[in-house]
Amino acid sequence: DAKTTQPTSMDCAEGRAANLPCNHSTISGNEYVYWYRQIHSQGPQYIIHGLKNNETNEMASLIITEDRKSSTLILPHATLRDTAVYYCIVRVVGFGNEKLTFGTGTRLTIIP
Amino acid sequence: GAVVSQHPSWVICKSGTSVKIECRSLDFQATTMFWYRQFPKQSLMLMATSNEGSKATYEQGVEKDKFLINHASLTLSTLTVTSAHPEDSSFYICSATGGWGTDAETQYFGPGTRLLVL
Repeated sequence: DAKTTQPTSMDCAEGRAANLPCNHSTISGNEYVYWYRQIHSQGPQYIIHGLKNNETNEMASLIITEDRKSSTLILPHATLRDTAVYYCIVRVVGFGNEKLTFGTGTRLTIIP
Repeated sequence: GAVVSQHPSWVICKSGTSVKIECRSLDFQATTMFWYRQFPKQSLMLMATSNEGSKATYEQGVEKDKFLINHASLTLSTLTVTSAHPEDSSFYICSATGGWGTDAETQYFGPGTRLLVL
């Protein structure tokens, strides 16, 4: 699976949009971009994933650049409960048992 | 939907004993389950991948005789840490794929089990 690069940490004011960047310059055509987050002492929570089109769900939006070499996860109105480590992962989809390789992620802190 | 549970949530045991951790998919049939381990201030590391009714595939460096994985049904996988030692103390997390009405290949994670070996 392609490797990703994320900033180590970010702060965001409560109520503002949190924009978390991810670089995946070696992504291949059949790899999806997945985002998970891990709140302290809990298991990771799935947020969103996409291939090349922008995606939106009730939790977040995912913006993928046209060349697919980077993406941005957007939490539109950050709350204190969004404080967590956010992981950007690229993986092949289509075989049912493809593993996720977790990097160090971005530690997002929401400031009151 | 796509809820995964783990039991117990935390366990303390003496060195040399065995500990079993259960992972259940509550509202879907999990074709594949994964077991991860996370040490303090580190990221998740995959230990093994298991498919229902077949032997687990272990990652390099993970002792299959020490970490026994059984995936006997489409909703249950167990991880048994045999002859546990203090260095096995960690946060063990399972995940599962195969959800109904969801992307069947998205991994959904359990809440984790914290193991402390004295």
